[in-house]
Amino acid sequence: DGGITQSPKYLFRKEGQNVTLSCEQNLNHDAMYWYRQDPGQGLRLIYYSQIVNDFQKGDIAEGYSVSREKKESFPLTVTSAQKNPTAFYLCASTLDRHNSPLHFGNGTRLTVT
Amino acid sequence: QQQVKQSPQSLIVQKGGISIINCAYENTAFDYFPWYQQFPGKGPALLIAIRPDVSEKKEGRFTISFNKSAKQSSLHIMDSQPGDSATYFCAASWGSNYQLIWGAGTKLIIKP
Repeated sequence: DGGITQSPKYLFRKEGQNVTLSCEQNLNHDAMYWYRQDPGQGLRLIYYSQIVNDFQKGDIAEGYSVSREKKESFPLTVTSAQKNPTAFYLCASTLDRHNSPLHFGNGTRLTVT
Repeated sequence: QQQVKQSPQSLIVQKGGISIINCAYENTAFDYFPWYQQFPGKGPALLIAIRPDVSEKKEGRFTISFNKSAKQSSLHIMDSQPGDSATYFCAASWGSNYQLIWGAGTKLIIKP
């Protein structure tokens, strides 16, 4: 079955450490997205990529970095510069055209202490 | 600036009742209005999407209505069931912009 795989489901890190969240899709979608979800705040866009080797900052990119070396993969690194990294992170993909629905993975819950 | 305002933040409905969630859009350029459903520990999934030239769209017990002049949309869930308990998001986008602007979400609980 086609879909988006995020791993791991739960991740624990100490403050000051960088951590990389994995996102892989086999839907042959062009565009991929990273969202952060906090209670009561909806989904906020961190980064997105419409083609390989290109990506754009979203609304809350500070303290995060991404790469898009392959069409299927869009890993997110949460750096030590991110002031409040504990959150639920969602990866999504879509065909790169207007009104195409977003397909989401099941998220990674990151806890930093 | 919040361009998509969703209400209520949370909602409790008895089984068999009607659940109603509202969204107001501040950007008149929006031309695509999807609604997503998210179960705990899962990613959101598209429920229904509507365009401004359509006033109502129905998928089983779920109906979206859209009022273009008022810039508002509503999700109605008829005969609500405990399995409908989830968080619901409205969203919007415009033109060739592929990014969605999201509402804050409504946590719906259906009491058996």
